[in-house]
Order: sequence, then C-alpha cells, then structure tokens
Amino acid sequence: DIMMTQSPDSLAVSLGERATINCKSSQSVLYSSNNNNHLAWYQHKPGQPPKLLIYRASTRESGVPDRFSGSGSGTDFTLTISSLQPEDVAVYYCHQYYTTPHGSFGQGTKLEIK
Amino acid sequence: EVQLVQSGAELKKPGESLKISCKSSGYSFTRYWIAWVRQMPEKGLEWMGIIFPGDSDTRYGPSFRGQVTISADKSTSTAYLQWTSLKASDTGMYFCARFYGGYDPHPFDYWGQGTLVTVSS
Repeated sequence: DIMMTQSPDSLAVSLGERATINCKSSQSVLYSSNNNNHLAWYQHKPGQPPKLLIYRASTRESGVPDRFSGSGSGTDFTLTISSLQPEDVAVYYCHQYYTTPHGSFGQGTKLEIK
Repeated sequence: EVQLVQSGAELKKPGESLKISCKSSGYSFTRYWIAWVRQMPEKGLEWMGIIFPGDSDTRYGPSFRGQVTISADKSTSTAYLQWTSLKASDTGMYFCARFYGGYDPHPFDYWGQGTLVTVSS
C-alpha cells in the first residue's frame, strides 16, 4: 500500500497570505502510461462532504478559485493557497489514486487563520 | 444533476447489524466506481473500499477487509455498506463518493452528504 504523509499537521496563516501544504507518497504516483500524477487534493469543512480541489496533481476542478494551485511530481506534492480567505479554513487532504481503483489519503492538515 | 444521497443517521448497539445506502442519480451508475470513506470522530479520512456497479467488482482497504461488505443494486442505482456485528469503534461518519476509473481516472468529484453511525450500549 502507498502511504501518504502530509506536513504540517496544522497551519495558521494570516488573511491574504500564502498557505502551503505538503504531501509525500511512499512511492511514485506518476503513471507512466499517461504521464499523469494520480494525486488529488480535497478541502473538508465541518458538516460537509469533502470537496475536490485539484486532480492530476495540478489540474483545478471546475469552479475552484484560482488561488488554489497544486504542484509536484513523483513522490512530493504541494497545495498552495496564494491569498488566504476566511472561507478557506478547513482540513485539507491529499489522495493518491495511482493504485486505482484502490486509494489512500494523507492524515490531513488543519488550516486556520492567524 | 449528479447526486449521491445517503441514508439517515443510525444509533445502534454493539453486536447489531447495519446496512447504509448511497443512492445515485444524474449519471450512468454502471460507468463509475462508488467508494466508501470513513471519518472517525476527530480523525481523518480513511479509504474503506470501492465497487464498480457494472460488474460488482469490489475491492477493500486492508483495515476493512472482512469487517464490512460493500454491494450495489443496479436496478435502483444504490450502493450499500453493511456490518454484521457492529463495534463501538465503528462509530463515525461514512461518506460515499463517485470515482471514474480507466486510462485517465478522475477522483472523487461527487460525494454523498454522509451518514453518521453511532454504536453505543
């Protein structure tokens, strides 16, 4: 099984500042057949289901604000929120689907306002 | 409009059985996988298992194999998650989510609203 490790576990950022969350996989999630990284990011707020933000490591899901961006390849990935807004307070998870249809999540990163 | 609608909250006793549901609409049920994801109280998301309703191909995460059963009914576009003997440690929120497999998979783009399962004596 592929283990996903996020850092930090929690993060406090001032409004308008940049937030950066990291995710590391225990093995590469770069799928050679299509040259895509099978890595997604979700935002999870209390009382709601998780929301898909990014897939293929860097492709924004339709309707997701462009302040959210994803980067990385192979085993190391980053979710960046360029200018933190109040509504961005949530827990963020990375998810590998390289082992499709199996998958696994990171442990989550709690993002708060400083 | 794509929707996944889950059954309501459950309060059960240890040792009881339970089957919760996730009804899909607005898309071809047999062309997408349906996964179940657990969130225990104050904990993160855990990938439990997944089913392809087209042929009932089912896979389980290592921690859940033998602990739960995932099934699907094509006639009603409904996926199920069931337990035969609940434990207090099964308490949590359970989400279903849609997944597109194949050459260029698309991860969980639509989710159910969640079903809260509480197991307490």
